[in-house]
Amino acid sequence: NAGVTQTPKFQVLKTGQSMTLQCAQDMNHEYMSWYRQDPGMGLRLIHYSVGAGITDQGEVPNGYNVSRSTTEDFPLRLLSAAPSQTSVYFCASTRGLGQAGELFFGEGSRLTVL
Amino acid sequence: GESVGLHLPTLSVQEGDNSIINCAYSNSASDYFIWYKQESGKGPQFIIDIRSNMDKRQGQRVTVLLNKTVKHLSLQIAATQPGDSAVYFCAENRRGTASKLTFGTGTRLQVTL
Repeated sequence: NAGVTQTPKFQVLKTGQSMTLQCAQDMNHEYMSWYRQDPGMGLRLIHYSVGAGITDQGEVPNGYNVSRSTTEDFPLRLLSAAPSQTSVYFCASTRGLGQAGELFFGEGSRLTVL
Repeated sequence: GESVGLHLPTLSVQEGDNSIINCAYSNSASDYFIWYKQESGKGPQFIIDIRSNMDKRQGQRVTVLLNKTVKHLSLQIAATQPGDSAVYFCAENRRGTASKLTFGTGTRLQVTL
């Protein structure tokens, strides 16, 4: 199994551009989520999904959209990039029951907005 | 407000010694706590978890202690090795909120030879 796969690993955008960060998992996990990691602030939850067709906002959702059309994929869309969105983005998945906190993370996508 | 935080940003430990990483939380409703390890350039990796009905849990070379009275948990690493050098995060997950973790800011563990 590949686990959680994120693409791209690195991206540079200009202010106002849009893009999509891809996330796919092959573990048949129901729960998926997106976090951003900024220096000195730990990881903060952007959006999450408890199953195909169901998404909800996390702590810092503004400027981001998500959809969950399949169990495997959970893309994160930046609508109009801003310098404040410069960060490292992590996608994660979990079975959701029992070990509810055992998230499996991808390797991250480092985004720079100029 | 609610927070999950750490006492020290950096911890330096000699190889072979035991490491203790501390974490404080403020939400009394928290019922599940997790420790993650993040190596440079990688995503966080699950280490160990503990539920609020326990006060201690042991894994391989790691022990997590939970003190609900003072809202404090700690991660103990026995016989610290160079491969343990990383940033360690505590995180909180409340019942019914699978995959919605609240993370602390992290402690960097440096293992010296």
